[in-house]
Amino acid sequence: EAGVAQSPRYKIIEKRQSVAFWCNPISGHATLYWYQQILGQGPKLLIQFQNNGVVDDSQLPKDRFSAERLKGVDSTLKIQPAKLEDSAVYLCASSLDPAYNEQFFGPGTRLTVL
Amino acid sequence: KQEVTQIPAALSVPEGENLVLNCSFTDSAIYNLQWFRQDPGKGLTSLLLIQSSQREQTSGRLNASLDKSSGRSTLYIAASQPGDSATYLCAVNSNSGYALNFGKGTSLLVTP
Repeated sequence: EAGVAQSPRYKIIEKRQSVAFWCNPISGHATLYWYQQILGQGPKLLIQFQNNGVVDDSQLPKDRFSAERLKGVDSTLKIQPAKLEDSAVYLCASSLDPAYNEQFFGPGTRLTVL
Repeated sequence: KQEVTQIPAALSVPEGENLVLNCSFTDSAIYNLQWFRQDPGKGLTSLLLIQSSQREQTSGRLNASLDKSSGRSTLYIAASQPGDSATYLCAVNSNSGYALNFGKGTSLLVTP
């Protein structure tokens, strides 16, 4: 069974530039999550999708971050414009059922904003 | 709001020792608790998932316990090996939503 795929693995940009990350969840997983992990911290949820609908985006900085999940499969997370404090690892995860099932994580995208 | 704390923040042990990592959470109304391993520069690997109705789960040399009423979980690693060196993260799936609330992790170093 293929795992969660993410790309790119690494990205370096200047502040105020834009960047996009892509995630392909495990086949059949209806729930998809984007987490932000700052160095030395545990991951923090940015947004949660159930199929192609948003369940929770309360911690997403909506003035600069956006995310979509077209057709309930792949998802993209965009930052525009980026700030220095956005430097982090962006992790995508998926699960069959949000309440009871395991969440499986992709390798992450490490973003450095200069 | 659910707060998850992991103690200790870092641990160094010689190879072969048994060890315990601790996790505590403030709100006992949870669906499940998950332990992850994270290697430097990598994503998270799920180790064990304990449902709220369960007391423990075992996988190989790993055993995780859950005491919901006291808001505690422990991850027991038997006969540690240098390959166990990584950061171990505890995460709770709370009643207030379905996203995982993570602790900051315990950084484990097993020396040969």
